[in-house]
Amino acid sequence: EDQVTQSPEALRLQEGESSSLNCSYTVSGLRGLFWYRQDPGKGPEFLFTLYSAGEEKEKERLKATLTKKESFLHITAPKPEDSATYLCAVPQPSGYALNFGKGTSLLVTP
Amino acid sequence: NAGVTQTPKFRVLKTGQSMTLLCAQDMNHEYMYWYRQDPGMGLRLIHYSVGEGTTAKGEVPDGYNVSRLKKQNFLLGLESAAPSQTSVYFCASSFSDNEQFFGPGTRLTVL
Repeated sequence: EDQVTQSPEALRLQEGESSSLNCSYTVSGLRGLFWYRQDPGKGPEFLFTLYSAGEEKEKERLKATLTKKESFLHITAPKPEDSATYLCAVPQPSGYALNFGKGTSLLVTP
Repeated sequence: NAGVTQTPKFRVLKTGQSMTLLCAQDMNHEYMYWYRQDPGMGLRLIHYSVGEGTTAKGEVPDGYNVSRLKKQNFLLGLESAAPSQTSVYFCASSFSDNEQFFGPGTRLTVL
């Protein structure tokens, strides 16, 4: 059973068109939810960690929020350089590795 | 700081050949991980290590072996490569069970 599900799989936005990406999770006793950005041909780049419902974190045009069942990555007035795949992940029950979602591929066009 | 580095960046193997992928980190992290990333499958954990001299199996360990002889290095070995092991391999490290930092990846093709 998937612990992390991301939607949509792909999203195309016009530059300046704000939107949100969703990450739903089914683990109990959440010990953190992580957001990463991955550019083609590169490794995932860490963005945010959220630990408790209601928590929010921001970085430039990105804001991550967390509820008890899901997290959202809000992208405000995106630019073409925000185009990437965004991954979310939660710790595995063993505590030593991450379960990743399959990602949302974002394309922002001028 | 270089962060997490991986060697080589690209490799092509024939079925049955062996090779070792090297991961190095200069952040003094205790934990290190090897993942593979395949289209439609996402990132899957192969093996991990919680400290020098320790290793453990992840989600997809078959066909791979690892060693962590030094804290800063984590080696992934393929003893007899198979086409199913064609993938992009990522190494990551973390201070504890929190955010992980990834290397640039190794693209492996097995013919």
